[in-house]
Amino acid sequence: EDKVVQSPLSLVVHEGDTVTLNCSYEVTNFRSLLWYKQEKKAPTFLFMLTSSGIEKKSGRLSSILDKKELSSILNITATQTGDSAIYLCAVENQGAQKLVFGQGTRLTINP
Amino acid sequence: DGGITQSPKYLFRKEGQNVTLSCEQNLNHDAMYWYRQDPGQGLRLIYYSQIVNDFQKGDIAEGYSVSREKKESFPLTVTSAQKNPTAFYLCASSIRGLNQPQHFGDGTRLSIL
Repeated sequence: EDKVVQSPLSLVVHEGDTVTLNCSYEVTNFRSLLWYKQEKKAPTFLFMLTSSGIEKKSGRLSSILDKKELSSILNITATQTGDSAIYLCAVENQGAQKLVFGQGTRLTINP
Repeated sequence: DGGITQSPKYLFRKEGQNVTLSCEQNLNHDAMYWYRQDPGQGLRLIYYSQIVNDFQKGDIAEGYSVSREKKESFPLTVTSAQKNPTAFYLCASSIRGLNQPQHFGDGTRLSIL
């Protein structure tokens, strides 16, 4: 059975800190790994990773995939209160065109 | 603006009642999905559809039903057989094909009266 595990489940830091969120997976026929940010309602797409070792970056957020370790990390530098959200990791099973989600990491940034 | 519209935002169900959640998209996406999100948990797939008039069960399809008569619409019915329907329901859509992310609607929160 396909499985995605995120850690930590909850994280509280101060504004300006750097955080690293983890995602590990067990998926048959891996196709891609996706990160989403969910504030109050709709998850919004952040990154899609398909190749190992290639960092994707958007402003203060970056992510990288390690296919050997079956994992990915999401880094956020110089955190702001607006980064407070649930961060969801999902993995796509090749051919199935459906996503398997982890439990999410609830990130709280205190001013 | 293109997007995914879910309605209603909040819904209350009486015992023994079926309720239908609406999901409409104007993104011209072929694939559509329904997820359920419970507190402290990630999203779990209920049903998905790759093309019109075809759909597949996800991981937790029991107590739910769907239809896909039009490309733009993928309504979800929560039947009385679903004994624990209280949750946040999210609809998503995507372009079929490699490396296309799913995009989500704002969700419907369903509660039992």
